[in-house]
Amino acid sequence: NAGVTQTPKFRVLKTGQSMTLLCAQDMNHEYMYWYRQDPGMGLRLIHYSVGEGTTAKGEVPDGYNVSRLKKQNFLLGLESAAPSQTSVYFCASSIDRNTEAFFGQGTRLTVV
Amino acid sequence: LAKTTQPISMDSYEGQEVNITCSHNNIATNDYITWYQQFPSQGPRFIIQGYKTKVTNEVASLFIPADRKSSTLSLPRVSLSDTAVYYCLVGDSNSGGYQKVTFGTGTKLQVIP
Repeated sequence: NAGVTQTPKFRVLKTGQSMTLLCAQDMNHEYMYWYRQDPGMGLRLIHYSVGEGTTAKGEVPDGYNVSRLKKQNFLLGLESAAPSQTSVYFCASSIDRNTEAFFGQGTRLTVV
Repeated sequence: LAKTTQPISMDSYEGQEVNITCSHNNIATNDYITWYQQFPSQGPRFIIQGYKTKVTNEVASLFIPADRKSSTLSLPRVSLSDTAVYYCLVGDSNSGGYQKVTFGTGTKLQVIP
């Protein structure tokens, strides 16, 4: 049982490049979330999903897009990376909003 | 929007009991209160969750007063390995009916030998 797996773990992008971060969970959870964490800061919600085919904006959605085509996967896309998007990105999943959320190990992204 | 407020940092000596209080004045009727722990370079990890009164597990206790506008995480006899950031979360709802979990600022606990 892998839990929540994020791919890749590290990435360096040049300004203007695009990329997709993959989050996969094997717990059949309905809810999935993408957060970013800047140095010394708490986690800020980017986008979330409450089920296959649904997505919604969180606190800081600008510059990101997401898709939930399959229940087990939640993709986070950066269309045109900017240095301000340098951060650690965490994915999480939960059965619903009032239950324990399981987090991945994070993706460290640097945009130069 | 249910926001949370916690102390930015706390220090404690090994073996002491640590209490971290979180304020959530606008908590909604159906919201639960959840605490997470985060070590450097790791994702947060669930500690405890409650709705009202007191909840205890093998790791911590959570005290919630009747008005539910605050909660206190209690860590008994902390050790150096408890040095981490602790987050208080309250369920949130938007106009579309979807629910999401929003993290607060977190409390950085430093355990001193």
